[in-house]
Amino acid sequence: GEDVEQSLFLSVREGDSSVINCTYTDSSSTYLYWYKQEPGAGLQLLTYIFSNMDMKQDQRLTVLLNKKDKHLSLRIADTQTGDSAIYFCAESYNQGGKLIFGQGTELSVKP
Amino acid sequence: ETGVTQSPTHLIKTRGQQVTLRCSSQSGHNTVSWYQQALGQGPQFIFQYYREEENGRGNFPPRFSGLQFPNYSSELNVNALELDDSALYLCASSLRTGLNEQFFGPGTRLTVL
Repeated sequence: GEDVEQSLFLSVREGDSSVINCTYTDSSSTYLYWYKQEPGAGLQLLTYIFSNMDMKQDQRLTVLLNKKDKHLSLRIADTQTGDSAIYFCAESYNQGGKLIFGQGTELSVKP
Repeated sequence: ETGVTQSPTHLIKTRGQQVTLRCSSQSGHNTVSWYQQALGQGPQFIFQYYREEENGRGNFPPRFSGLQFPNYSSELNVNALELDDSALYLCASSLRTGLNEQFFGPGTRLTVL
């Protein structure tokens, strides 16, 4: 079945690292994504990983994928107040196909 | 390059009415997907249109219908509105090459009273 789960809230101090976790159930998912949503704005793609990869790094962002446990994480290094937003993980079976989203993790960064 | 735009921004309807939401794709994009995001939830896939044909549908009843026009803009129509249809409706456009990233618009906030 299709199910993506995330913890609902995370609070960190400015300058610390943030780690947002996600679990998914469908092992046939080929692409896994992290999106950011700020108030009044649409979803912004932050990064993605193919299911045949274990890790991907993109500037302050590191994505880790444990395919055996169906666990995905997003690490944000040196978290800033501007990183405060809701973060969604999403999976899809094919490029450009339907995205299946988790319920989102609200990240709060305190100065 | 113009991004994805949606209209209207906000809309209030009463139960039983019909509503049409509009989406203009990013320039050059030929695929449009619609998502419903209830308050505090992640977006749920409604359907996708590719070159004016429906190309995949989520678990939504037939009263949710759509259109894609030759210029690749799109409409989402919802008939017989129910209270549970209150949500943010997101449109995303993409071009079927490379990663085929979906670019999202800011959404239309629909309230059904």
